Amino acid sequence: GQQLNQSPQSMFIQEGEDVSMNCTSSSIFNTWLWYKQEPGEGPVLLIALYKAGELTSNGRLTAQFGITRKDSFLNISASIPSDVGIYFCAGRGAQKLVFGQGTRLTINP
Amino acid sequence: ETGVTQSPTHLIKTRGQQVTLRCSSQSGHNTVSWYQQALGQGPQFIFQYYREEENGRGNFPPRFSGLQFPNYSSELNVNALELDDSALYLCASSLKVGAANYGYTFGSGTRLTVV
Repeated sequence: GQQLNQSPQSMFIQEGEDVSMNCTSSSIFNTWLWYKQEPGEGPVLLIALYKAGELTSNGRLTAQFGITRKDSFLNISASIPSDVGIYFCAGRGAQKLVFGQGTRLTINP
Repeated sequence: ETGVTQSPTHLIKTRGQQVTLRCSSQSGHNTVSWYQQALGQGPQFIFQYYREEENGRGNFPPRFSGLQFPNYSSELNVNALELDDSALYLCASSLKVGAANYGYTFGSGTRLTVV
């Protein structure tokens, strides 16, 4: 099925470091979403982006909607242990969300 | 405001059997979508239900079918189970306004294992 290209696939960082991950698509999306998924849970929405070029923050998280509407990135500043999980980007189509493969974040205390 | 609830949480079935998964949507939402998430992958869209009818379908065979009820809850049925159907099945409810869906909220999923 259709998927977005998300990178990196995994990250191993020290607590306190900043994190950056990105997502690209061959198709245009008018809305980009970033989710976090923890073991045994469904994805939880972190940030929604509705306008090309938009830069949006949610606490230590910052995401940008690419100007071409075909890419987005998510930054996490000053990582803490509870940031561990899998982060997914998703483009919102008419009836569905198209997800990336996820970035697994592991933090060494 | 209640969130999205799914049942059961875990299920083990034998190849060839049939399974029904259930989902209660979030209060105020009118649309339910189902996604299949294989291990190590992102969720893949199966189909969406709106006004008790299928309103969009992904690349899944007809043995994947669904229902939506007047209270907006939904069922996912899978017939003739195959080993590759083993996955986490996620339900997401949303509010459909015009052509767009807003406020996608996911349940915790049903982990299906086919042996």
